[in-house]
Amino acid sequence: GAVVSQHPSWVICKSGTSVKIECRSLDFQATTMFWYRQFPKQSLMLMATSNEGSKATYEQGVEKDKFLINHASLTLSTLTVTSAHPEDSSFYICSARGPGTSGNEQYFGPGTRLTVT
Amino acid sequence: GNSVTQMEGPVTLSEEAFLTINCTYTATGYPSLFWYVQYPGEGLQLLLKATKADDKGSNKGFEATYRKETTSFHLEKGSVQVSDSAVYFCALRGYNQGGKLIFGQGTELSVKP
Repeated sequence: GAVVSQHPSWVICKSGTSVKIECRSLDFQATTMFWYRQFPKQSLMLMATSNEGSKATYEQGVEKDKFLINHASLTLSTLTVTSAHPEDSSFYICSARGPGTSGNEQYFGPGTRLTVT
Repeated sequence: GNSVTQMEGPVTLSEEAFLTINCTYTATGYPSLFWYVQYPGEGLQLLLKATKADDKGSNKGFEATYRKETTSFHLEKGSVQVSDSAVYFCALRGYNQGGKLIFGQGTELSVKP
């Protein structure tokens, strides 16, 4: 149980275009989802926290107009990178938790590798 | 603010060697502490956790003890295997922080046969 999927697993896009990444909780209701960014050989940096039906809370330094997060249902959150640039290339990871998860823990998706050319 | 510091990698060991990955933290109150593992090309998996002082988390032969007096949560395994090769992240979840996890920088472990 407590499986989180992400789609796509990798994506290449041209500079200036937008790309959407989906995060789904497959077998539980995710009242809260988190979006992280991971640079090569570095740690995960929390970008934002989203609660179902509410606006996302962004961490300091994260551009909310660039990284649009929508958590419209209890099983789906999306991250849209708008007007992507090469410096947005990174590994994006989501996690989810909800009342059905053990000890209120976060469960992580497998990540999405974004390359902007 | 809260923070986590891990020993730098990469760490290279021979199979069956003893592993220690150091982790120290700074936090107000009583955080919960975690070790996550990330295998190549995969997402993070929870390895073990401890929620209060002197708790010992254990899983798959790995152990870590929550030491409040030294603000540490070092990861240990008595005999590593090649399949343990991965990146290990120490993390904390502060009290009343909305569930946010703060990660250390990760330690890459490579186990050679």
